[in-house]
Amino acid sequence: QVQLVQSGAEVKKPGASVKVSCKASGYTFTSYYMHWVRQAPGQGLEWMGIINPSGGSTSYAQKFQGRVTMTRDTSTSTVYMELSSLRSEDTAVYYCARMEDRYSGMDVWGQGTTVTVSS
Amino acid sequence: SYVLTQPPSVSVAPGKTARITCGGNNIGSKSVHWYQQKPGQAPVLVIYYDSDRPSGIPERFSGSNSGNTATLTISRVEAGDEADYYCQVWDSSSDHGVFGGGTKLTVL
Repeated sequence: QVQLVQSGAEVKKPGASVKVSCKASGYTFTSYYMHWVRQAPGQGLEWMGIINPSGGSTSYAQKFQGRVTMTRDTSTSTVYMELSSLRSEDTAVYYCARMEDRYSGMDVWGQGTTVTVSS
Repeated sequence: SYVLTQPPSVSVAPGKTARITCGGNNIGSKSVHWYQQKPGQAPVLVIYYDSDRPSGIPERFSGSNSGNTATLTISRVEAGDEADYYCQVWDSSSDHGVFGGGTKLTVL
């Protein structure tokens, strides 16, 4: 079955970086875009960016420009999201979600990865 | 940047109809998607392309989109529908995804 499995919870200190992985299975990896969405405690969903696993092209939300990098490894059907210069406000659950194209809905989501930033 | 506006909360009695709105400038020209999120769980797509339902989503869930407002309608509301609901579009002018702020549906 189609699924996205994310890496485990992380605890980081302010100023550090975190890299979250999202492994896809059950479908053709390069046929679907992958989004990253985060949710701070008690808050709503926040779109972070998108990667096209086929060519690797990306688009990032203005808020994260310069701090986020999304990459993919087609040999393992895995996408990665790295966020640098972490601060306490980056404490959140980070989700990957696939989308057939930019205009379609996110039909499959990962289970989420909790990232805690604390000194 | 494009902004989507949702009411923070909607309350409805069991068996009644809940309507959750999503406002945006000329949103009727965009494709709107709706997600349901229960506590501690990942979001689930319940409506895509304004009014289509993924397999497994009850027919009680429907959507519409026109002018400056998109609406998610849940008929014959059940206790299990209590959740947060988010609308989402793709803003082609910025090449960015956009979520509404979310609406907490309470079943009385």
